[in-house]
Amino acid sequence: GAGVSQSPSNKVTEKGKDVELRCDPISGHTALYWYRQSLGQGLEFLIYFQGNSAPDKSGLPSDRFSAERTGGSVSTLTIQRTQQEDSAVYLCASSLGRDDTQYFGPGTRLTVL
Amino acid sequence: KNEVEQSPQNLTAQEGEFITINCSYSVGISALHWLQQHPGGGIVSLFMLSSGKKKHGRLIATINIQEKHSSLHITASHPRDSAVYICAVMGRLGSTLGRLYFGRGTQLTVWP
Repeated sequence: GAGVSQSPSNKVTEKGKDVELRCDPISGHTALYWYRQSLGQGLEFLIYFQGNSAPDKSGLPSDRFSAERTGGSVSTLTIQRTQQEDSAVYLCASSLGRDDTQYFGPGTRLTVL
Repeated sequence: KNEVEQSPQNLTAQEGEFITINCSYSVGISALHWLQQHPGGGIVSLFMLSSGKKKHGRLIATINIQEKHSSLHITASHPRDSAVYICAVMGRLGSTLGRLYFGRGTQLTVWP
């Protein structure tokens, strides 16, 4: 079956603009994660959705970042008033449940000019 | 202080050599993951384990919960094993529940 997909694959935006990044998890996966990987840095947890529970937003770096997951499936990560330090690869992963193997999408490379 | 420490940061080996990458962590965990990231960025989960040892082909992962330590071994290494290997742990307590904490990764290069 299809894996985790993300769109767009690349996004170039100007400082101050808002961007939306999309993640389509594997069908039936109840857990969905967003991560960020900045150039030369390790992976960083951003937010985690598990079923219908309130998401764990503790990794979001500022209130400019928000995410939602509609219908327990597709998720959108929104960054408002983008800054140059937001430039990174944003990765989405999904798993059957919280304690199961995570499957990663190909990522969205965001460049803020 | 990082919750997950990996060593070495960089590793170079000759084809056929036995490779070991180490991971130590400081939080209570429900599971530990070993991930592989190839040039171009794609991430693949190699193992998820919470106790003992798992083997898949030439890869072996072990974990010692008491010592909060895990190792990833590659037997008979091959140039196609060249990648970044990342250790990640999933928290199991309080505010860490469900979160993944990542090591900085080990860049492995295997020469023919």
